[in-house]
Amino acid sequence: GAVVSQHPSWVICKSGTSVKIECRSLDFQATTMFWYRQFPKQSLMLMATSNEGSKATYEQGVEKDKFLINHASLTLSTLTVTSAHPEDSSFYICSAEVWGKGPTTEAFFGQGTRLTVV
Amino acid sequence: GEDVEQSLFLSVREGDSSVINCTYTDSSSTYLYWYKQEPGAGLQLLTYIFSNMDMKQDQRLTVLLNKKDKHLSLRIADTQTGDSAIYFCAEGSSASKIIFGSGTRLSIRP
Repeated sequence: GAVVSQHPSWVICKSGTSVKIECRSLDFQATTMFWYRQFPKQSLMLMATSNEGSKATYEQGVEKDKFLINHASLTLSTLTVTSAHPEDSSFYICSAEVWGKGPTTEAFFGQGTRLTVV
Repeated sequence: GEDVEQSLFLSVREGDSSVINCTYTDSSSTYLYWYKQEPGAGLQLLTYIFSNMDMKQDQRLTVLLNKKDKHLSLRIADTQTGDSAIYFCAEGSSASKIIFGSGTRLSIRP
């Protein structure tokens, strides 16, 4: 199946700094990628939809100036958490949209990034 | 709004069957999914079922769907230590419309 690689797997940063997380499709091109956030013992919540060559679409309640998304190529989307605060500590996971064998698209997920802001 | 609920923990003995249950609210979902997340890894699609099906079997995995009650279950036969993971139930219509449950942590005891 399609492989999605996310980097880094974990990161610790100081409060006030920015952190960039990469999501790469390794063996296919992904026009659309998705960024999710997962709090402990909670479900994955969609943050935004990343579209290659255009602006990302953010879900309600997600600050676009805080969570900057860039999808500059068909194999890479980045999420930058700007001016990180401890409440931004979470597990961030990306997925790429692929047309599968069925009538609709499938999602392939990266391994996730655990961000800890101290 | 749309919601998917599942219990947080399940513990089973090695060799027994595991049954993970899930309820959902959006009756218009095309697909119901089961994802597996191992420590340090991303989500792996285990199996999925079309909303117009009642059952799907794939080797040790059996998915049952009760559309009337909006209830989905995943049965893992002959549970092994390698099955230890978090299992996410999800509903959706495409890659862009997937609603996840909070995940059930399956632990295997000897």
